[in-house]
Amino acid sequence: AQKVTQAQTEISVVEKEDVTLDCVYETRDTTYYLFWYKQPPSGELVFLIRRNSFDEQNEISGRYSWNFQKSTSSFNFTITASQVVDSAVYFCALSENQAGTALIFGKGTTLSVSS
Amino acid sequence: ETGVTQSPTHLIKTRGQQVTLRCSSQSGHNTVSWYQQALGQGPQFIFQYYREEENGRGNFPPRFSGLQFPNYSSELNVNALELDDSALYLCASSFEIQETQYFGPGTRLLVL
Repeated sequence: AQKVTQAQTEISVVEKEDVTLDCVYETRDTTYYLFWYKQPPSGELVFLIRRNSFDEQNEISGRYSWNFQKSTSSFNFTITASQVVDSAVYFCALSENQAGTALIFGKGTTLSVSS
Repeated sequence: ETGVTQSPTHLIKTRGQQVTLRCSSQSGHNTVSWYQQALGQGPQFIFQYYREEENGRGNFPPRFSGLQFPNYSSELNVNALELDDSALYLCASSFEIQETQYFGPGTRLLVL
């Protein structure tokens, strides 16, 4: 069965610290997609990144970077030099070809960045 | 902003009532998915519509039903509301079935 685990419930850091959010997934499919979404207090889920199972290249976008490792079924997200505006709930999600594109979400990690 | 809109933003109902939530997809998107997010939890997939047909359903009872219109907007209907139906209901649209889903701001439903 498919599953996404975000073991860190809450993380608190001080501005300018680096922080890594962990995501571990389970799937039997060989073709699947992984996502990260950000949910600020307003409630709207904001898309950050999509990665397919055949592309293990790490990606960097500004202060954000993602590390995808199929060997450990992990898709971790790092924020470098965190800012107060990064405070939000971050969700990792999985979709499998055979299940259509129903997104399976983890429980989320609440990140609090203080000044 | 994603261009996905939802109405209403907030709603209060009593147990046993029925509710209809609405979603307008982003221009050019033909796929709409609905999710329920209970407090402190990740969103749970309810169902998906592609070109007006249901294209997958999560583990929700039949009193959760939906519809997609020719302009690809969508409705979520919930009958016989229960207290546990209190949640944030999120709608997401995508260009095609396999494309990235973009979410609307959600509707907060409170059942008393």
